[in-house]
Amino acid sequence: EAGVAQSPRYKIIEKRQSVAFWCNPISGHATLYWYQQILGQGPKLLIQFQNNGVVDDSQLPKDRFSAERLKGVDSTLKIQPAKLEDSAVYLCASTSGPTNTEAFFGQGTRLTVV
Amino acid sequence: DQQVKQNSPSLSVQEGRISILNCDYTNSMFDYFLWYKKYPAEGPTFLISISSIKDKNEDGRFTVFLNKSAKHLSLHIVPSQPGDSAVYFCAAMQGGGADGLTFGKGTHLIIQP
Repeated sequence: EAGVAQSPRYKIIEKRQSVAFWCNPISGHATLYWYQQILGQGPKLLIQFQNNGVVDDSQLPKDRFSAERLKGVDSTLKIQPAKLEDSAVYLCASTSGPTNTEAFFGQGTRLTVV
Repeated sequence: DQQVKQNSPSLSVQEGRISILNCDYTNSMFDYFLWYKKYPAEGPTFLISISSIKDKNEDGRFTVFLNKSAKHLSLHIVPSQPGDSAVYFCAAMQGGGADGLTFGKGTHLIIQP
């Protein structure tokens, strides 16, 4: 079974630039999450999708972050414009359903904003 | 406000001995707890979990204990092996997972030969 795929693995951008991350969850997984992990911290939930609908985006900085999952499969997370404090690893995870407890994570995208 | 706390940033244990990783939580609404293991440059991988209706769950070398009254859980690894060297995250959820996971900051476990 293929795991959660994310790209790119690494990205370096200047502040005020835009960046987008892509995630392909495990086939058949209806629930998709984006987490932000700042160095030395645990992952923090940004947004949760159930199929192509948003379940929870209460911790997403909506003035600069946006995410979509148009067809209920792949998802993109965008930051526009980026700030220095956005430097982090962005992790995508998926589960087969909203009450499934075991989330499978991708390798993450490490973003450095300079 | 950290709802899940792992107060030991790192822990060093000799190979073959028991590793005990601790986690405390403040939100009494949490009803499911998980441990994830993370190697450098990889995403977290699920290790073991426990429901709030239990006080112990065992899987091979890994055992998780939950003390609800103390809002404390621990992960025991016996015996510790070199491949166990990684960062371990404690995570919690409520409402059947509808709100996603809340993670602690992690504990870096180092297994000494």
